[in-house]
Amino acid sequence: DAGITQSPRYKITETGRQVTLMCHQTWSHSYMFWYRQDLGHGLRLIYYSAAADITDKGEVPDGYVVSRSKTENFPLTLESATRSQTSVYFCASSDSGGRETQYFGPGTRLLVL
Amino acid sequence: AQTVTQSQPEMSVQEAETVTLSCTYDTSESDYYLFWYKQPPSRQMILVIRQEAYKQQNATENRFSVNFQKAAKSFSLKISDSQLGDAAMYFCAYRDTFTSGTYKYIFGTGTRLKVLA
Repeated sequence: DAGITQSPRYKITETGRQVTLMCHQTWSHSYMFWYRQDLGHGLRLIYYSAAADITDKGEVPDGYVVSRSKTENFPLTLESATRSQTSVYFCASSDSGGRETQYFGPGTRLLVL
Repeated sequence: AQTVTQSQPEMSVQEAETVTLSCTYDTSESDYYLFWYKQPPSRQMILVIRQEAYKQQNATENRFSVNFQKAAKSFSLKISDSQLGDAAMYFCAYRDTFTSGTYKYIFGTGTRLKVLA
């Protein structure tokens, strides 16, 4: 199906482990984003990407790594998970055609024990 | 830096009534985009309505409309004939145009809307 998907939808991990959250979109959108959602903070931008091999830090990038070797994929890696990274993570994409609207994936709920 | 403020953490409305959610923002740009997103219990973020700053006419999508006051930097969402399915978290968001050299979206902290039967 066309759209934007995230996997896994739920993940439980332990402190210190590496975790990768996957994001895939089928629209060939140029721009992709990773957000985390926490109570009282709304959505905060972690990293974003304008195109393949072009990424940049957002508001809260520490402890996260991204890559974008293909336009359709934008994985987010927690190199050494911490309890403060327990959150709901959303991937989003938008085109560069002027409509400026972001489309969101269903989210990944991550629990770090 | 741009900021988005939603001063109402929670609102309630009676079914079939009208409710207005507030949003203010701060920017030095003259051209930008504003959005309202809905997040129901499923947590899926759904675009409700968008507004281009250069358009004076307020955007409307069925029962949803905005009151865009550019000088006051205010962007409120009005929901008419509220339905039980409107119960959700609503986020206001701001985005510069690409010509500004950035393409970050700034989100408010959200307003939880309860619809009473």
